[in-house]
Amino acid sequence: QKEVEQNSGPLSVPEGAIASLNCTYSDRGSQSFFWYRQYSGKSPELIMFIYSNGDKEDGRFTAQLNKASQYVSLLIRDSQPSDSATYLCAVNFSIYGQNFVFGPGTRLSVLP
Amino acid sequence: DAGVTQSPTHLIKTRGQQVTLRCSPISGHKSVSWYQQVLGQGPQFIFQYYEKEERGRGNFPDRFSARQFPNYSSELNVNALLLGDSALYLCASSFGPTNQPQHFGDGTRLSIL
Repeated sequence: QKEVEQNSGPLSVPEGAIASLNCTYSDRGSQSFFWYRQYSGKSPELIMFIYSNGDKEDGRFTAQLNKASQYVSLLIRDSQPSDSATYLCAVNFSIYGQNFVFGPGTRLSVLP
Repeated sequence: DAGVTQSPTHLIKTRGQQVTLRCSPISGHKSVSWYQQVLGQGPQFIFQYYEKEERGRGNFPDRFSARQFPNYSSELNVNALLLGDSALYLCASSFGPTNQPQHFGDGTRLSIL
């Protein structure tokens, strides 16, 4: 059974703080990992993707991957109220295709 | 540049009817995937097509089918609609067949009465 798990939240952080979102996955052979942001009533928007162990930074966002622990995280620095959304972790469990398995999402609330 | 476009945006059907949803990928993208998202859950994979060939199929009944056309656009068909088919149907495109970032369209919200 291929599964992706996330804490559903809500996770509340004050404006300007670091928000830390976590995700674990079941298949040790997975090769690609993605973070999406979804505002209420909207479709998912790609935020970050990562393939190798370690950190990958893009602006205020940092994705962290630890394949040995089957763990991927997203850090949001200097959180803004506009970052308030549901963050979806997705893992591609297919070596031939794009069978993304999504976690249930973590709802983030950034308080002014 | 245009993103992934889906039509229609909203659809209301009754049980037992059939529905066709359409998707145009980002220009240059050859892979199209379909997902179903019910309220409060993450999207669930239905199908992937790459270069008009089916690359993957999720755990959905045979009432769900799809195809991809030579211009890489795609259709998702659902027959014998059930109340439980009410959901947001999302199309995502990527350039390559695997391990590629996927970009989603705005979705089609399907309501079954």
